[in-house]
Amino acid sequence: ILNVEQSPQSLHVQEGDSTNFTCSFPSSNFYALHWYRWETAKSPEALFVMTLNGDEKKKGRISATLNTKEGYSYLYIKGSQPEDSATYLCASRGGSNYKLTFGKGTLLTVNP
Amino acid sequence: NAGVTQTPKFRILKIGQSMTLQCTQDMNHNYMYWYRQDPGMGLKLIYYSVGAGITDKGEVPNGYNVSRSTTEDFPLRLELAAPSQTSVYFCASSYSTPRQGHNGELFFGEGSRLTVL
Repeated sequence: ILNVEQSPQSLHVQEGDSTNFTCSFPSSNFYALHWYRWETAKSPEALFVMTLNGDEKKKGRISATLNTKEGYSYLYIKGSQPEDSATYLCASRGGSNYKLTFGKGTLLTVNP
Repeated sequence: NAGVTQTPKFRILKIGQSMTLQCTQDMNHNYMYWYRQDPGMGLKLIYYSVGAGITDKGEVPNGYNVSRSTTEDFPLRLELAAPSQTSVYFCASSYSTPRQGHNGELFFGEGSRLTVL
């Protein structure tokens, strides 16, 4: 079973601040790293799926990077807005199985 | 497309009762999953399926059963409900390989909140 760790567990920022969080995962037999955004009372929605070392993906003010050799990914939010408040989940898939293992998430609260 | 549809959204069970959580998807995804979400614990994989007729255990399969008779449907059965099965259950599906602009990301249902008393 993969062990996917996320930090910090929770984060409070002011509107307009930029922020970032970390996801670490086993680097051996890596296949893909997923980021999801999960708003309260809704279901998780995919932000990014990354597979290549050095990959960088961007969607609006949110971007992510991937380092498969050392087993970590960063998610960045530039100029946080209250609507960015959510739990951000990362999940890793190893190459030899079909299972996606999730971290516990980072709960982001953006204060207006 | 309706996406991933789960029913029921809410259910209260007594200890020892049985029930089935229904999940259906209309995206022709071959992979389907059941996760449970407990406070502070993140999403834990119960069972998954890589295609019709094929199922396999995830991290926390005890107390549950699944079947996959069609590509669209992946029901989760609780045979003897226990208080430890009080949780929010999410069904999800995905393509097995990148296609049509998708890269294997999961599409989730809206969740089913189950309480066992």
